[in-house]
Amino acid sequence: DVVMTQSPPSLPVTLGQPASISCTSSQSLVHSDGNTYLSWFQQRPGQSPRRLIYKVSNRDSGVPDRFSGSGSGTEFTLKISRVEAEDVGVYYCMQGSHWPPWTFGQGTKVEIK
Amino acid sequence: EVQLVESGGGLVQPGGSLRLSCAASGFTFEIYSMNWVRQAPGKGLEWISYISDSGSVEHYADSVKGRFTISRDNARNSVYLEMSSLRAEDTAVYYCARLYGSGMTDYRDFWGQGALVTVSS
Repeated sequence: DVVMTQSPPSLPVTLGQPASISCTSSQSLVHSDGNTYLSWFQQRPGQSPRRLIYKVSNRDSGVPDRFSGSGSGTEFTLKISRVEAEDVGVYYCMQGSHWPPWTFGQGTKVEIK
Repeated sequence: EVQLVESGGGLVQPGGSLRLSCAASGFTFEIYSMNWVRQAPGKGLEWISYISDSGSVEHYADSVKGRFTISRDNARNSVYLEMSSLRAEDTAVYYCARLYGSGMTDYRDFWGQGALVTVSS
């Protein structure tokens, strides 16, 4: 199984400042079809997960453009260009390249300083 | 509007059984594979089961294999999770979800609001 490792576990951020979350996979997420199925999810307190990014860098409909995803192979990053109060929550990366199982990172809690 | 609505959660004793249901609407249910993902209190997300669009293929996480069974009824736009031999460590919010991955042409994903299952005596 592919193990997904996120860092940091907790990320205090000042409003308006950037934030960056890293995700590393135990093996390359490049699928034989040439695509990399790495997604990022946001889970606000008390809510279901919501996908923000799919295939490394594609933003879902309605996701603000301050969220961006990048990376390749085994190293991936989610960036928030300017953190807003509504961005508080836990962020997860997930791989869908080598399923089953789909595997998630352990989460990064974003909070306001 | 896409909706996934889980039901059937509750309190069950260790060793007991429970059946979760997930009713789908707002999309063509029969062409999408579906999954169950759970989240223990204060913990992260854990994928536990997958069923193909036709229902002919099933996959399970090792943590639930042999105890949980996923099924679907495309005529009723519903997916189910039959849980047996429940343990305290199965206590979690269970989400019905469509997850995107390799081999899939439609990139959309959908999540329900979750159903809480508590296993305790």
